[in-house]
Amino acid sequence: GEKVEQHESTLSVREGDSAVINCTYTDTASSYFPWYKQEAGKSLHFVIDIRSNVDRKQSQRLTVLLDKKAKRFSLHITATQPEDSAIYFCAASPPRGSALGRLHFGAGTQLIVIP
Amino acid sequence: AQTIHQWPVAEIKAVGSPLSLGCTIKGKSSPNLYWYWQATGGTLQQLFYSITVGQVESVVQLNLSASRPKDDQFILSTEKLLLSHSGFYLCAWSLTRGFSGNTLYFGEGSRLIVV
Repeated sequence: GEKVEQHESTLSVREGDSAVINCTYTDTASSYFPWYKQEAGKSLHFVIDIRSNVDRKQSQRLTVLLDKKAKRFSLHITATQPEDSAIYFCAASPPRGSALGRLHFGAGTQLIVIP
Repeated sequence: AQTIHQWPVAEIKAVGSPLSLGCTIKGKSSPNLYWYWQATGGTLQQLFYSITVGQVESVVQLNLSASRPKDDQFILSTEKLLLSHSGFYLCAWSLTRGFSGNTLYFGEGSRLIVV
């Protein structure tokens, strides 16, 4: 089955710098790739997603890139702020017809923004 | 606007005791509903999903059960808790029927400590 890996367990950046969190997946048929943010002690909140029909999507300071050939996608955060500090989870979704809403999550990357 | 409410917020329970966690979604009819489990510091594991009242599919076996007694309610339960049940339980909903690549919206979670 699908396996999603996040390569950085922890990432520290200085406030104002950019942060990049990378994920890889194994199932070439995966077609939907969301990102979630989890602040300390709290639940997950959706931040941005990308579908396999595009290779780039931007929303304000967040950009997601998708490289289907390499089976890799990444979250880019520009002009980081202390409130960006959180655990970020990437996920991949299997194709239509398999287990409904079966998002396969990565293990999470703890982003620390140093003021 | 849709709201999702989980209860209780936190519980400390003894091994062997029963458990019931609840989730209610308001503002959206016939949502897809999900239960996820997050071990302390760990990644997310989907436990159950439901696309309609009375219909629940199990994704992993963890000596837990789930039910959907009403369109807007999802219940997670067990008759005998194990130490391994400790963790953070998240209820989630999604909009689109029959499509796996849809966004999940999570509740605030129920934190369970089994002693």
